[in-house]
Amino acid sequence: DAGVIQSPRHEVTEMGQEVTLRCKPISGHDYLFWYRQTMMRGLELLIYFNNNVPIDDSGMPEDRFSAKMPNASFSTLKIQPSEPRDSAVYFCASSLMTSSRFFGPGTRLTVL
Amino acid sequence: DQQVKQNSPSLSVQEGRISILNCDYTNSMFDYFLWYKKYPAEGPTFLISISSIKDKNEDGRFTVFLNKSAKHLSLHIVPSQPGDSAVYFCAASTSGTYKYIFGTGTRLKVLA
Repeated sequence: DAGVIQSPRHEVTEMGQEVTLRCKPISGHDYLFWYRQTMMRGLELLIYFNNNVPIDDSGMPEDRFSAKMPNASFSTLKIQPSEPRDSAVYFCASSLMTSSRFFGPGTRLTVL
Repeated sequence: DQQVKQNSPSLSVQEGRISILNCDYTNSMFDYFLWYKKYPAEGPTFLISISSIKDKNEDGRFTVFLNKSAKHLSLHIVPSQPGDSAVYFCAASTSGTYKYIFGTGTRLKVLA
């Protein structure tokens, strides 16, 4: 298995632009998680899905952030409009109910 | 409000010696704890876990100790190897939820 796949690996954009991050979980995994890593706050859980349904989005910082999972093999995290304080590394992770999380390599987002 | 704290941002240890990474938590409802390791440009990978019914769990060179009364856990690596150089994240969760609360990480450098 290729593991969790994220794209793009790096994204540089200007303030006010829309940003879309993509994730392909490990096949067969029924949970998908979006995390954000910053120096100050470490790894923060933004939202997670179970069987493509959003279960807990209490970590999503603002209405500018939205996430979707249209099918079992694809999820997106969108930021519109982006702001410099959104600059961070965004990780997607997947798991089976009883397993630990498998993380993707992350997307490093820089908002100028 | 950081519920999981790793107060040492970095640690340097000589090869062959013991590395001790510390983690404190504030929520007494946490009953499952994990350590993840992260290399640059990669996602975190699961290392070792412990349930609150135990006070120690060992896996090869890695041992996690849990002190529930002090709300403290530690990861011991013996002997330390240069390949152990990475960022280590502590995480905690409560049974029945799938939310892992991560600390900010400790960067370990093992000197050859």
